[in-house]
Amino acid sequence: QVQLQQWGAGLLKPSETLSLTCAVYGGSFRGYLWSWFRQPPGKGLEWIGEITHSGDTNYNPSLESRATISIGTSKSQFSLRMTSVTAADTAVYYCARGWIGVRGDFGPANWFDPWGQGFLVTVSS
Amino acid sequence: DIVMTQSPLSLPVTPGEPASISCRSSQSLQHSNGNTYMDWYLQKPGQSPQLLIHEGSSRAFGVPDRFSGSGSGTDFTLKISRVEAEDVGVYYCMQALQTPYTFGQGTKLEIK
Repeated sequence: QVQLQQWGAGLLKPSETLSLTCAVYGGSFRGYLWSWFRQPPGKGLEWIGEITHSGDTNYNPSLESRATISIGTSKSQFSLRMTSVTAADTAVYYCARGWIGVRGDFGPANWFDPWGQGFLVTVSS
Repeated sequence: DIVMTQSPLSLPVTPGEPASISCRSSQSLQHSNGNTYMDWYLQKPGQSPQLLIHEGSSRAFGVPDRFSGSGSGTDFTLKISRVEAEDVGVYYCMQALQTPYTFGQGTKLEIK
């Protein structure tokens, strides 16, 4: 059974860079879209972006200028970097596996399953 | 971006009774390939979202058959035939027709 495990820096100051990593255990890295989402405290879900196993990326236009998703040195890991954070970036960040269907390897994904456990990032001076 | 609108936002339910959540999208979620790209997720208290229904009406692996999804075009419904205590949480609809993927505001189901 595939599991996603996340880690990173949990407390940042404004203007710093957010950095999170998600490791995939128990399943193939190929053939899926690997995504990042976030959820501000008490609010709903927002998609940040996604990456294929070969490194092709796609971002939410609202965050594209600040977000970078990359494949880790271990081919079963992927990472999120977000520059110039502010208090508005305080959220629980989730990684998730996107299932690809007949629309092809570059997506969009049809659905997301499973999700990582979530990681709270707080931005505060 | 496709806007997803859920109702109700709060849903108190007596155990054993049915429940229904509606989701409306700002444009049709039916692709030219015939598939409907609409998913439902449940976020239990303190947990990550978990997939319930994908492509409008297909239950995810391990999801009890008391959960069902229906609808087409822009109007969709998630039904729970008999609510159990473990069903509490926030239910989200999500469109996967195009990026950016977008979610409804969430419907909080609670037990009366």
